Amino acid sequence: QKEVEQNSGPLSVPEGAIASLNCTYSDRGSQSFFWYRQYSGKSPELIMFIYSNGDKEDGRFTAQLNKASQYVSLLIRDSQPSDSATYLCAVIVRGYQKVTFGTGTKLQVIP
Amino acid sequence: DVKVTQSSRYLVKRTGEKVFLECVQDMDHENMFWYRQDPGLGLRLIYFSYDVKMKEKGDIPEGYSVSREKKERFSLILESASTNQTSMYLCASSTGQNQPQHFGDGTRLSIL
Repeated sequence: QKEVEQNSGPLSVPEGAIASLNCTYSDRGSQSFFWYRQYSGKSPELIMFIYSNGDKEDGRFTAQLNKASQYVSLLIRDSQPSDSATYLCAVIVRGYQKVTFGTGTKLQVIP
Repeated sequence: DVKVTQSSRYLVKRTGEKVFLECVQDMDHENMFWYRQDPGLGLRLIYFSYDVKMKEKGDIPEGYSVSREKKERFSLILESASTNQTSMYLCASSTGQNQPQHFGDGTRLSIL
């Protein structure tokens, strides 16, 4: 079982819709969770991080964490074509320095 | 804004060469990381460092070494380049444990 799992997609949503990206993780000691956006040929860019159960909102983005069910999700409201990218979920396990990345979900926003 | 600078955007080398990839960060970050990214395999950690002259192996250290002589600089060394080391190499830094990482623009390395 992979430590951090994401559906590779592509996930296609129409412009203006809500895009929902999901990530599950296997280590119950995980305590820090990050979402990165990566455009084709570019490096990952941090867009959200969350440490506690519940929701965290930043503009059009909401990160949701459920430690009991071991999943973290990213909602993108009012999706725009410029949101089309691969979204990487990343996790840090308590007591460790290194980050484990999922392989990413490709999002396509259709105009 | 955090600035992580990688010395080359594109690099072409030959098999057997010793290759140096340089990374510099300007935010006094404690931790620095080297990853490679390949299609279908995602980001894989090669080495990381949490202090000057300190280094830890990541998931795929074979064929690589690193050097961190100064806090702001972290170098990745391919001792004898091979074609299976053709990849996108990404450097990142963070302030400390549990903190998000910030990436450089990446170096696309081709070994011929």
